[in-house]
Amino acid sequence: AQSVTQLGSHVSVSEGALVLLRCNYSSSVPPYLFWYVQYPNQGLQLLLKYTTGATLVKGINGFEAEFKKSETSFHLTKPSAHMSDAAEYFCAVTRSSNTGKLIFGQGTTLQVKP
Amino acid sequence: SAVISQKPSRDICQRGTSLTIQCQVDSQVTMMFWYRQQPGQSLTLIATANQGSEATYESGFVIDKFPISRPNLTFSTLTVSNMSPEDSSIYLCSAKDSEAFFGQGTRLTVV
Repeated sequence: AQSVTQLGSHVSVSEGALVLLRCNYSSSVPPYLFWYVQYPNQGLQLLLKYTTGATLVKGINGFEAEFKKSETSFHLTKPSAHMSDAAEYFCAVTRSSNTGKLIFGQGTTLQVKP
Repeated sequence: SAVISQKPSRDICQRGTSLTIQCQVDSQVTMMFWYRQQPGQSLTLIATANQGSEATYESGFVIDKFPISRPNLTFSTLTVSNMSPEDSSIYLCSAKDSEAFFGQGTRLTVV
């Protein structure tokens, strides 16, 4: 069975500081990994995804994530936080690129302080 | 990617009633899904909406409570039946072409 664990339900950073949101997964097959962002009262927007190939994945809004198989991790980073980054972030996993059935982590709320 | 229109965006319903949520995609997609996001929690898959056949439900979800229709490749509905306050959640429609994308959700409050 697959599962996703996001460490830290709330993360607070200062504007301009590094953003690091942690995600660990469990999967018996090579995983497909995703990060989604949810702004208040909105749906989910795809930030980035890892399927195959390069393990460092760049996404929208300056975010990137690195797939580390040895650590079963897919942490999300951004060098410099912006106030507009404040949102809920979800890590998700699926077993195949042919399915849209995603298993989500618990979510991490990112607060950005001025 | 395609765009999903979901409605209503929010509703307040009396317990014991039912609400049907509509999901319209602006292009044909092979897969559509319904998720639930309970207050303060993550998203949980309710079911896969299959075009022309019965939906495939995940463990813990049943057709009598959450009947789903998918008459064509661009449209699906989810009904939340005989509602109780525990059904208060955000319900999200998802579709997949090259990637999975989501509607803006329906915020349901049952009183």
